[in-house]
Amino acid sequence: NAGVTQTPKFQVLKTGQSMTLQCAQDMNHEYMSWYRQDPGMGLRLIHYSVGAGITDQGEVPNGYNVSRSTTEDFPLRLLSAAPSQTSVYFCASSPYGSTGELFFGEGSRLTVL
Amino acid sequence: GENVEQHPSTLSVQEGDSAVIKCTYSDSASNYFPWYKQELGKGPQLIIDIRSNVGEKKDQRIAVTLNKTAKHFSLHITETQPEDSAVYFCAASFTNAGKSTFGDGTTLTVKP
Repeated sequence: NAGVTQTPKFQVLKTGQSMTLQCAQDMNHEYMSWYRQDPGMGLRLIHYSVGAGITDQGEVPNGYNVSRSTTEDFPLRLLSAAPSQTSVYFCASSPYGSTGELFFGEGSRLTVL
Repeated sequence: GENVEQHPSTLSVQEGDSAVIKCTYSDSASNYFPWYKQELGKGPQLIIDIRSNVGEKKDQRIAVTLNKTAKHFSLHITETQPEDSAVYFCAASFTNAGKSTFGDGTTLTVKP
């Protein structure tokens, strides 16, 4: 059971470039979400989804785009990368009807030069 | 929206001692309070959680207490071991929300 899989694990971008962080889960979880982790600032919610075709903004959505065409996949797109987006990104999933436990991927470390 | 504050940001203890991490939350409607452990280079993993209808929950060496009136909840680790060294996050949310608001994290170091 792979759980939540994120790719790539590491990425270096130049300012203005675009890219997509991939997230896939094989647990048939309805809920999926993206967080960014910065030193001393915990995990901040970027976007989340309660099911295929439904997405909503979190606390820090600017500069990011998401879509959810299938239950399994929830890609995060950086439209025009900025140095402020240098961070570690975590994707998480959670089953509908549960207490709310989040299952996290291993993270994607992004550096924007 | 919900705001979660976590203290201390760093904590160093001797092996065998106890460690306590404290959090406060702002939204009285929150009813689910999980704690996650993050080891170096890994994603956070749930270690214990508590719902608002329970005041205390224990699982071997770890326990969580909740004071709904004061909007405080705490993680207690007894008989600490070097493998307990990690970053710990508290969080608050609603049951079945699929997302949480996190504290800023506590880096726990257990010295052998």
